[in-house]
Amino acid sequence: GDSVTQMEGPVTLSEEAFLTINCTYTATGYPSLFWYVQYPGEGLQLLLKATKADDKGSNKGFEATYRKETTSFHLEKGSVQVSDSAVYFCALSLGGTSYGKLTFGQGTILTVHP
Amino acid sequence: DSGVTQTPKHLITATGQRVTLRCSPRSGDLSVYWYQQSLDQGLQFLIQYYNGEERAKGNILERFSAQQFPDLHSELNLSSLELGDSALYFCASSVGGSQSNTEAFFGQGTRLTVV
Repeated sequence: GDSVTQMEGPVTLSEEAFLTINCTYTATGYPSLFWYVQYPGEGLQLLLKATKADDKGSNKGFEATYRKETTSFHLEKGSVQVSDSAVYFCALSLGGTSYGKLTFGQGTILTVHP
Repeated sequence: DSGVTQTPKHLITATGQRVTLRCSPRSGDLSVYWYQQSLDQGLQFLIQYYNGEERAKGNILERFSAQQFPDLHSELNLSSLELGDSALYFCASSVGGSQSNTEAFFGQGTRLTVV
């Protein structure tokens, strides 16, 4: 079946450090790929997405590129802030009329210290 | 604010009981999705409804059921509750239908505690 694997957490960084959270997937067909973020006590918010190979999703300084050859969608940010502390989820969808039917990774807790 | 409303925010109940979680999707969204988030299972898709009809089913237990009403709000019914059902239950909505390339918006969740 379809699955998403994220790097083990938690991740602790100092402000302005470089962030990478690895994500790889297994899917039948050609999935769309997403990164969602969950701030404490809140629901999930879409951070960025990519719908086909070589697409780059970007938002709020975060980027991820859909790599079909390595089945990966790694999240990066050049300079993290304390306000980026949250749980990050990589997810895939096979789209169509069930676009919101998402398969999630296990989540990575990010803590950024001043 | 995502525009997806879930009630109640918190629910504490005893084993063996039955509860109903409610979700109002964003205005104009026809698809509703239910997810369960627990420490051991992570975020798991339960079920999707589109315009009142079941569209997709995931890892939903037989003790759980859902429906979507004509006004498009949805309810998730959990019965014969067990301690292991304690989790955060999320609802999400999207436009759905032929407009498939759209975002799913999540509510803030209902935290269920079974004691």
